[in-house]
Amino acid sequence: EAGVAQSPRYKIIEKRQSVAFWCNPISGHATLYWYQQILGQGPKLLIQFQNNGVVDDSQLPKDRFSAERLKGVDSTLKIQPAKLEDSAVYLCASSLDQGQGYEQYFGPGTRLTVT
Amino acid sequence: QQQVKQSPQSLIVQKGGISIINCAYENTAFDYFPWYQQFPGKGPALLIAIRPDVSEKKEGRFTISFNKSAKQFSLHIMDSQPGDSATYFCAASKTNAGNMLTFGGGTRLMVKP
Repeated sequence: EAGVAQSPRYKIIEKRQSVAFWCNPISGHATLYWYQQILGQGPKLLIQFQNNGVVDDSQLPKDRFSAERLKGVDSTLKIQPAKLEDSAVYLCASSLDQGQGYEQYFGPGTRLTVT
Repeated sequence: QQQVKQSPQSLIVQKGGISIINCAYENTAFDYFPWYQQFPGKGPALLIAIRPDVSEKKEGRFTISFNKSAKQFSLHIMDSQPGDSATYFCAASKTNAGNMLTFGGGTRLMVKP
């Protein structure tokens, strides 16, 4: 079974530029998550999708971050404009469903450096 | 507000020894506590999880101990091996919040041969 795919793996941009990350979840997984993992910290949930609808985006900085999951499969996370403090690894995860206890499978992440 | 506090930040253990990582939570509504293991360049992977209706859960060399009254839980790695060297995260979630996880800050474990 293929895992969660993410691209690009690394991205370096200057502040105020825009960037987009792509995620392809495990086939058949209805729930998709985007996390931000700052160096030396645990992952922080940014947004959770159930199929193509948003379940929770309370921790997403909506003035600069946006995410979509068209057709309930792939998802993109965009940052515009980027700030220095956005430097982090952005992890995508998926689970079979959104109920508590469904295992979340993580992708390898995209490491973003904002200079 | 850090809802799940994890300690220590780093840990060095000799091969064959016991690694112990502790977590404390504040929100009494949390009722599901998984542990994740993360290797460099990889995403976290579920290791073991526990619900508060039991005080201990064991899977192979990994054991979770849970103390509901103290709002604490810990991961014990018995007979630690160099291959266990990774970063470990505890997490917590609430039944009425679906599958949303709140992670601790992580513990970097190094097992010396």
